[in-house]
Amino acid sequence: DTGVSQDPRHKITKRGQNVTFRCDPISEHNRLYWYRQTLGQGPEFLTYFQNEAQLEKSRLLSDRFSAERPKGSFSTLEIQRTEQGDSAMYLCASSSKDYTYAQYFGPGTRLTVT
Amino acid sequence: DAKTTQPPSMDCAEGRAANLPCNHSTISGNEYVYWYRQIHSQGPQYIIHGLKNNETNEMASLIITEDRKSSTLILPHATLRDTAVYYCIAGGGADGLTFGKGTHLIIQP
Repeated sequence: DTGVSQDPRHKITKRGQNVTFRCDPISEHNRLYWYRQTLGQGPEFLTYFQNEAQLEKSRLLSDRFSAERPKGSFSTLEIQRTEQGDSAMYLCASSSKDYTYAQYFGPGTRLTVT
Repeated sequence: DAKTTQPPSMDCAEGRAANLPCNHSTISGNEYVYWYRQIHSQGPQYIIHGLKNNETNEMASLIITEDRKSSTLILPHATLRDTAVYYCIAGGGADGLTFGKGTHLIIQP
């Protein structure tokens, strides 16, 4: 199966630490998206890339968050100086450049900040 | 992106068709309707999408009204594994999808 993969699946960190998550999209998908989901809510869009270019960032993406996709393949999402409010599921999705842009999601990374 | 309205929860008997409604009265002409579902603690799973015509795939059928102001997702023979939160999304496929609270579908044995 060559679906979207995310690593790690779970991360527990102490407040103030930095964390980095990785997403590997479906091969040949040129768009990659990051979302955040808190308990009881639907996923919220954070940012997306077309190839290596970051094209849009949500207001939710504070300056402690940074995302990269250096070679237009995998992407990383880093959170600096984590806060308890950052505890959430971080989801990655990818889509092809066909006209429908259906997005396919990975399993997510569950972050717990203690 | 257009706002969508879905019932918060629905029940359906196992083996019966589950029909999930969605209103998207402000959808614009070039915006697709997407359906996803999410089983607890997993990433959302793409189900189906459409623009104007009805669509069918191995998972479900999507019926879009002629005025495109509403749609219905049909799971033809619901099983217990179809218990999930179902999200209807109008537009946003090219950039960020806007998820609402969805419909919690419970399949009863």
